[in-house]
Amino acid sequence: NAGVMQNPRHLVRRRGQEARLRCSPMKGHSHVYWYRQLPEEGLKFMVYLQKENIIDESGMPKERFSAEFPKEGPSILRIQQVVRGDSAAYFCASSPTSGLTDTQYFGPGTRLTVL
Amino acid sequence: AQKVTQAQTEISVVEKEDVTLDCVYETRDTTYYLFWYKQPPSGELVFLIRRNSFDEQNEISGRYSWNFQKSTSSFNFTITASQVVDSAVYFCALSEMANDYKLSFGAGTTVTVRA
Repeated sequence: NAGVMQNPRHLVRRRGQEARLRCSPMKGHSHVYWYRQLPEEGLKFMVYLQKENIIDESGMPKERFSAEFPKEGPSILRIQQVVRGDSAAYFCASSPTSGLTDTQYFGPGTRLTVL
Repeated sequence: AQKVTQAQTEISVVEKEDVTLDCVYETRDTTYYLFWYKQPPSGELVFLIRRNSFDEQNEISGRYSWNFQKSTSSFNFTITASQVVDSAVYFCALSEMANDYKLSFGAGTTVTVRA
C-alpha cells in the first residue's frame, strides 16, 4: 500500500523560474493538504484541496502561488517567478475524508532551493 | 499566537538514556486532537500518534510513551532507552474543531542520540 508520493524530492531553480511540485495521495484518499517548512521551523498550512476544488487556500501567499488537484492525476503546487525566500521543504499530506477525526499522512517532501 | 509550543530546541543524550520532549498547546475548543510526528535525517514526516481531547489515558507503544494532561495543556513524549535511530526532529501538532483540517505544528525538537 503505497504512501503519499511527492516528486521531485529535490528541485533547484534560479530566481524568476517556475517550480512545479507534484503530489499523489495515498490510495483511497481524496483530500490533499500542502504545508511549507521553512528552515528551522515547523510546518505551516498552505492549502487544502479535494478533487477539482480548492477548499481553503488561506495559508498560501496571494501572489505567485497556486494549487490544483485535477480529476485525473496528481495535485500540483505551482510557484511562479520563484524568489530566494521560497526555498523551503514543501510537504503534501492526504486523508480519506476531512475532519477532526482524520489523520493526515505526509509524503517525503520536496526540497526547493532557489539560487 | 503560537498554538503549539515546543520549548526545547535541541536535546542531546547518550544511548540508553530516557528523553522527554515537552509540548504545550493552546486552544479554546473543547474538542481537539494532538499529534506527534517524527522527521528523521532523511526528511520525511512519520506519523507517531494521535490523541483526542477526551482521552487522557497515557499511551505506551514500545519504547515510546505519551503523557496527556489537559490541566496543564501538555502532551509530552518520552523515549525510553533511546537508540541512535531515534535521532530526529520531533514535531507536536494540534488540530481544532474550529479549523479541523489545519494542523498547527510546533517548531520541533531536535533529538540527537550519541552512541
